[in-house]
Amino acid sequence: GESVGLHLPTLSVQEGDNSIINCAYSNSASDYFIWYKQESGKGPQFIIDIRSNMDKRQGQRVTVLLNKTVKHLSLQIAATQPGDSAVYFCAEGENTGFQKLVFGTGTRLLVSP
Amino acid sequence: NAGVTQTPKFRILKIGQSMTLQCTQDMNHNYMYWYRQDPGMGLKLIYYSVGAGITDKGEVPNGYNVSRSTTEDFPLRLELAAPSQTSVYFCASSPLRVSSYEQYFGPGTRLTVT
Repeated sequence: GESVGLHLPTLSVQEGDNSIINCAYSNSASDYFIWYKQESGKGPQFIIDIRSNMDKRQGQRVTVLLNKTVKHLSLQIAATQPGDSAVYFCAEGENTGFQKLVFGTGTRLLVSP
Repeated sequence: NAGVTQTPKFRILKIGQSMTLQCTQDMNHNYMYWYRQDPGMGLKLIYYSVGAGITDKGEVPNGYNVSRSTTEDFPLRLELAAPSQTSVYFCASSPLRVSSYEQYFGPGTRLTVT
């Protein structure tokens, strides 16, 4: 069945380092991908998204890379800060009559000062 | 805009009790969703709605019911609560947009069934 998974459940980095969070997806029909950040006790918040016709998209301190050949998605966070500590989810989307998102299990990012 | 609001924030139920989780959005979004999030897991879709009067099952609908009488409100009903329904419940909404499937989430309701 369709699934979205993550390689690393927990990533620990030092403040100022660059962080890379990886995600694998399996549905070749997915045409949209999105990263969410979830802080403890809160709902997921949008970080960045990318359509399947793109390989790379940049935001403020974040970059998403999409490799459709190997069905792989990554989120790069530059100059990681303690405020970046959270759980990060990737999700893949497909328009099946409604805009469905399938979420991965999440990676916890821990940033040490 | 308040965005997506959910009530209550926390609730403890006894086995067999019933309750309704409330969700309201003030962004005039067409789509609304209910997810559950178990510890250390991702979000699982329970039910969704593409507009007032239209609802459909998601991945894990058993034990739940929904209604959508207005664009703004999308309550989730739990009948005969079971310990397996202990989870955090998130409501989300999204507009009908070709370029983005972004969903906007509420703060969640933490439910414990004992």
